[in-house]
Amino acid sequence: QVQLQESGPGLVKPSETLSLTCTVSGDSLSSYYWSWIRQPAGKGLEWIGRFYASGSTNYNPSLKSRVTMSVDTSKNQFSLKLTSVTAADTAIYYCARDFGGSYDYWGQGTLVTVSS
Amino acid sequence: EIVMTQSPATLSVSPGERATLSCRASQSVSSNLAWYQQKPGQAPRLLIYGASTRATGIPARFSGSGSGAEFTLIISSLQSEDFAVYYCQQYNNWPPWTFGQGTKVEIK
Repeated sequence: QVQLQESGPGLVKPSETLSLTCTVSGDSLSSYYWSWIRQPAGKGLEWIGRFYASGSTNYNPSLKSRVTMSVDTSKNQFSLKLTSVTAADTAIYYCARDFGGSYDYWGQGTLVTVSS
Repeated sequence: EIVMTQSPATLSVSPGERATLSCRASQSVSSNLAWYQQKPGQAPRLLIYGASTRATGIPARFSGSGSGAEFTLIISSLQSEDFAVYYCQQYNNWPPWTFGQGTKVEIK
């Protein structure tokens, strides 16, 4: 059974960097693309980007200048960094497995609040 | 960026009745369309991919259809556990993949 678990600070100050990690069990990061998706409270879903273990990455153009995704295959983890955050970046952040473009496994999500 | 528009925003349905949800893309996405169900406090759950293929473990009362820019999700006989928000997502033209704004299915 594939499981994903997000972790990281729940509170980030404006202008600082949001950093999250997703730990995957039951699958290898080398098998699929893996993504980050976020959801502001009470709103819809926004695709942040995806990566492949080979190093290939694709980011949402609206966030591209601020986003970096990376992987640690030895720990079966992948990470998200989002720089220069504002209140608009407050959301539940999900990691998910990209199953040919759709998402078949998701983490439970982690709420990140941007506030001083 | 492809814009996905779902209708209606809210659908009030009685248990046992049929629910029909629509999703329209601003341009063709071929059959690269997925549907998700999300309940409060939970992550989305994949229901349908490839516009019409049910994901593993999804009951047969969920069916998807359409291609190009018009898609439909039908829940043939609503069960209590089906009351939730449903999202469509295109994965034909990227970046980015894009989601609709959601349809809330509520108890009538």
